[in-house]
Amino acid sequence: SYELTQPPSVSVSPGQTARITCSADALPKQYAYWYQQKPGQAPVLVIYKDSERPSGIPERFSGSSSGTTVTLTISGVQAEDEADYYCQSADSSGTYSVVFGGGTKLTVL
Amino acid sequence: QVQLVQSGAEVKKPGASVKVSCKASGYTFTSYGISWVRQAPGQGLEWMGWISAYNGNTNYAQKLQGRVTMTTDTSTSTAYMELRSLRSDDTAVYYCARARDIVESKDYWGQGTLVTVSS
Repeated sequence: SYELTQPPSVSVSPGQTARITCSADALPKQYAYWYQQKPGQAPVLVIYKDSERPSGIPERFSGSSSGTTVTLTISGVQAEDEADYYCQSADSSGTYSVVFGGGTKLTVL
Repeated sequence: QVQLVQSGAEVKKPGASVKVSCKASGYTFTSYGISWVRQAPGQGLEWMGWISAYNGNTNYAQKLQGRVTMTTDTSTSTAYMELRSLRSDDTAVYYCARARDIVESKDYWGQGTLVTVSS
């Protein structure tokens, strides 16, 4: 089955740059989407179609794609960015379905 | 403003069924679909399926095929997710989210509904 692999945790100090990767285990890679989830809250979309930012999401959030890996970059990390981040894509190899990565806990030191 | 408001928490016994509702407002309901995503305690997000509010077409996660049914009521702009033959590992927070199609951005989410399965 199609899988998306994320590092379990990433830690950065305030003001630094955080990079969270999401690797697909097969081609072709579909678009990726990123969600931020804080404790006790519903997820929030922060990046769509690999690199597009929804309105209302700060410019310090950006996305990129290279081969079968997509990366969420948070520049100038702030304490409020501490959260779990999930990538999402599609498995188009058989029955078309949505796949989430396992999630990455971003800790702001 | 777009809002998705879900029904309240449920406690069910193993083998029972649960039906969670998701009432949409602030947009044209039939121009989007609704995805359902669940999250077991301390775990990640799991996609359950998607339904078109335009024509009722569905796409379910293979793992849940035969146990889940998603429906919509366009007269009340409400989506429903029914899960049958509940097991303890179905204990989770269930979210609805707006999405134009199966894979597209889930740009607005409901507040979540906790379903607890316990004898």
